[in-house]
Amino acid sequence: DAKTTQPPSMDCAEGRAANLPCNHSTISGNEYVYWYRQIHSQGPQYIIHGLKNNETNEMASLIITEDRKSSTLILPHATLRDTAVYYCIVRLFHGSGNTGKLIFGQGTTLQVKP
Amino acid sequence: GAGVSQSPSNKVTEKGKDVELRCDPISGHTALYWYRQRLGQGLEFLIYFQGNSAPDKSGLPSDRFSAERTGESVSTLTIQRTQQEDSAVYLCASSLEGGDTDTQYFGPGTRLTVL
Repeated sequence: DAKTTQPPSMDCAEGRAANLPCNHSTISGNEYVYWYRQIHSQGPQYIIHGLKNNETNEMASLIITEDRKSSTLILPHATLRDTAVYYCIVRLFHGSGNTGKLIFGQGTTLQVKP
Repeated sequence: GAGVSQSPSNKVTEKGKDVELRCDPISGHTALYWYRQRLGQGLEFLIYFQGNSAPDKSGLPSDRFSAERTGESVSTLTIQRTQQEDSAVYLCASSLEGGDTDTQYFGPGTRLTVL
């Protein structure tokens, strides 16, 4: 699986958009970009994933550059409860001999401040 | 519906003792994963089960670690002769195999402390 690079920490004001970047310059054509977050003392929580197109769900938006070498997770209106470590993960889809295991890096610690 | 559950939530043991950690996946999920997270670190993959296929044990750190899964239900992770470096949060995840993507849903973890 391709490696990802994320800033170690970011701050965001409550109510503002949080934009979390991720570089994955060695991503291959059949690898997906996944985002998970981990709130203190809890298990990781799935946020969103995408392959090529931008994606949006009730939690966040995922913007993937045209060359797919980087992406941005956007939390449109951050709240204090969004304070967590955010992990960007690139992985092959599950199947065809792939276990689909997630390889976690160090992630970005997002601190939402009042 | 119910999510992934794990028990116990906390376990304190003495060095050299054996421990068993339990994971109940989401009903109907055919894939089950175990991960370990040391303090301040990211998750490390340990083992993966998928249906009746042979498990992927490539992440197990030593032969003191083993895991079993009964069909597509409960899984048990066993650590024999525990060492202090085994202290970590052990996380279980399950997923519904199928399609071209596969979202893993995590349990709350078991915090293991080896004294």
